[in-house]
Amino acid sequence: QQQVKQSPQSLIVQKGGISIINCAYENTAFDYFPWYQQFPGKGPALLIAIRPDVSEKKEGRFTISFNKSAKQFSLHIMDSQPGDSATYFCAASKSGNTGKLIFGQGTTLQVKP
Amino acid sequence: DGGITQSPKYLFRKEGQNVTLSCEQNLNHDAMYWYRQDPGQGLRLIYYSQIVNDFQKGDIAEGYSVSREKKESFPLTVTSAQKNPTAFYLCASSPLTAAGSGNTIYFGEGSWLTVV
Repeated sequence: QQQVKQSPQSLIVQKGGISIINCAYENTAFDYFPWYQQFPGKGPALLIAIRPDVSEKKEGRFTISFNKSAKQFSLHIMDSQPGDSATYFCAASKSGNTGKLIFGQGTTLQVKP
Repeated sequence: DGGITQSPKYLFRKEGQNVTLSCEQNLNHDAMYWYRQDPGQGLRLIYYSQIVNDFQKGDIAEGYSVSREKKESFPLTVTSAQKNPTAFYLCASSPLTAAGSGNTIYFGEGSWLTVV
């Protein structure tokens, strides 16, 4: 009930290509779905987040697609750049004061020049 | 600058020793968290605290202890009871949010702990 499953574990994309990372969750009470970006040796930083009342959210080259019925959400990185090379984590939580995030296993993205 | 400061960045522990990781935030956040990161396993919650002098166990609290004597400080002690402590430890904080609002968690730079 508490798991968030993320795939793929690693991803290699050519510069200018589209990177797609997928996540699936089990707990239907989750209502907040952020994506975090982490560079080596650094802490994760919030990239973009979505709530289930919308099916898509776009910020620059980053887009979250959300499918509530399938309990799945994905991150699309358009026009991927070498500077996007990092580890990406999806997460989910129930909004409110608890604020505990359940993280996926992470995806290491390498964008080749 | 506002942020979360973790220290030390690198720490070595001998078998049987307790070690304490420091975490300080000046963001005036009520909630603070400790996560452990291992390759291929994402981030797992160790402990969290929403208010001074109160904290709750996360998913992997065994072998760890915390205190929250001040709003800005949330140190983590890795005790000798933690059988596999080698990992990257991340401290985080967030404001308390009202129901229906998403909760953005801000992370520190992390501390590497290695058992020698």
